[in-house]
Amino acid sequence: AQKITQTQPGMFVQEKEAVTLDCTYDTSDPSYGLFWYKQPSSGEMIFLIYQGSYDQQNATEGRYSLNFQKARKSANLVISASQLGDSAMYFCAMREGGPRYNNNDMRFGAGTRLTVKP
Amino acid sequence: GAVVSQHPSRVICKSGTSVKIECRSLDFQATTMFWYRQFPKKSLMLMATSNEGSKATYEQGVEKDKFLINHASLTLSTLTVTSAHPEDSSFYICSAREGGSGGSYEQYFGPGTRLTVT
Repeated sequence: AQKITQTQPGMFVQEKEAVTLDCTYDTSDPSYGLFWYKQPSSGEMIFLIYQGSYDQQNATEGRYSLNFQKARKSANLVISASQLGDSAMYFCAMREGGPRYNNNDMRFGAGTRLTVKP
Repeated sequence: GAVVSQHPSRVICKSGTSVKIECRSLDFQATTMFWYRQFPKKSLMLMATSNEGSKATYEQGVEKDKFLINHASLTLSTLTVTSAHPEDSSFYICSAREGGSGGSYEQYFGPGTRLTVT
């Protein structure tokens, strides 16, 4: 069974600074995908970044980057140059199986509430 | 990116009544849709996975007779909460993936439906 762990219930960061949100996972499937989502107070789930288990390089999307350490089974999200609008809940998620043609479900970690201070 | 809509966004119903929540993929065909439930300040918990034209697969502990899921077309899935009770009050989120050769790793989420049972 897959398991996603986010150990930081809450994090604070000063505006314009970088912050790392931790995520570790556990799976016996060699093929899997890792996702980060942002959930503002409105409730919508906003996709941020994706990392495939066979991807050689760490994923990056604008100010978001994923520090993927496969041996440690960690997939930390790094947000650079934090903005006030980054304040939200952040969820790490994993789906086992290959990235395509895959109808497996996605499982979520407990989430980390990030607060950006002005 | 692809858009998934949910209707209604908020609903208040009386205990004992049934409520239907619709989830639509607006610009793609979703062979698989997922229904999640989220309690306040908690993570998303998968309730069930539905594939178009077949019966939904429910997670352990989710009553299939209480949470009826119908995935009648490639763009529509419905969740009906039957004989609702106050403990069914929650935030329900649907998610959809485009399957087949056009599928990708991304899973698109609806904006959620907040159900309050009085």
